[in-house]
Amino acid sequence: QVQLQESGPGLVKPSETLSLTCAVSGYSITTLYYWGWVRQPPGGGLEWIVEWAGNKYWNETTNYNSSLKSRVTMSVDRSKNQFSLKLTSVTAADTAVYFCVRRGCPSIGCRAYPFDFWGRGIPVTVSS
Amino acid sequence: SGLTQPPSVSAAPGQKVTISCSDSSSDIENHFVSWYQQLPGTAPKLLIYDDNKRPSGIPDRFSGSRSGTSATLGITGLQTGDEADYYCATWDISLSSGLFGGGTKLTVL
Repeated sequence: QVQLQESGPGLVKPSETLSLTCAVSGYSITTLYYWGWVRQPPGGGLEWIVEWAGNKYWNETTNYNSSLKSRVTMSVDRSKNQFSLKLTSVTAADTAVYFCVRRGCPSIGCRAYPFDFWGRGIPVTVSS
Repeated sequence: SGLTQPPSVSAAPGQKVTISCSDSSSDIENHFVSWYQQLPGTAPKLLIYDDNKRPSGIPDRFSGSRSGTSATLGITGLQTGDEADYYCATWDISLSSGLFGGGTKLTVL
């Protein structure tokens, strides 16, 4: 069974960089599918942030939410089967629960890839 | 572009409810929709993908459909345990980015 687990600081100061890591078990992130991040502000809806295509035949493309692209970096540690998110110059508006996700096929013969596996989420507060 | 869902819906136990997801652009029209259930304090869970397919373990009380620029999640035989927030999602090919609806809060009266 695929499992994702977020880790990182729960409190970040304004203007600093938010750094989170997602450890994946049960599946190699370099085999297939997309691996990324979704966030949810307090009392709000889901916002897709970024994803990395974990397959060399897909050129390991990274896709970004255009509204966040200038502040987002996603990196991958293949040896540890994990990936990371960095969000720079944070403000209170970046306070949210951050989920790491897989966008993949939950069965055989998918016509599109939904977000089929989610981490439990990690709350991050931006405050001085 | 954006996916629009009603903020809330409600129905009595045992009844049926539908939740709509509409898009003013062509994202839904050209791409498949997925639906997620988020129980309070938990991560979202995939309910429906490819418009109308259910992952293993999702009961057939949950169904999905899509027509033109609108998709619908249906839930029959409502239970109090179905009280949750429900989100639709698709992929915006023009922006190469994921897109979520604003979410709908289901209350089982």
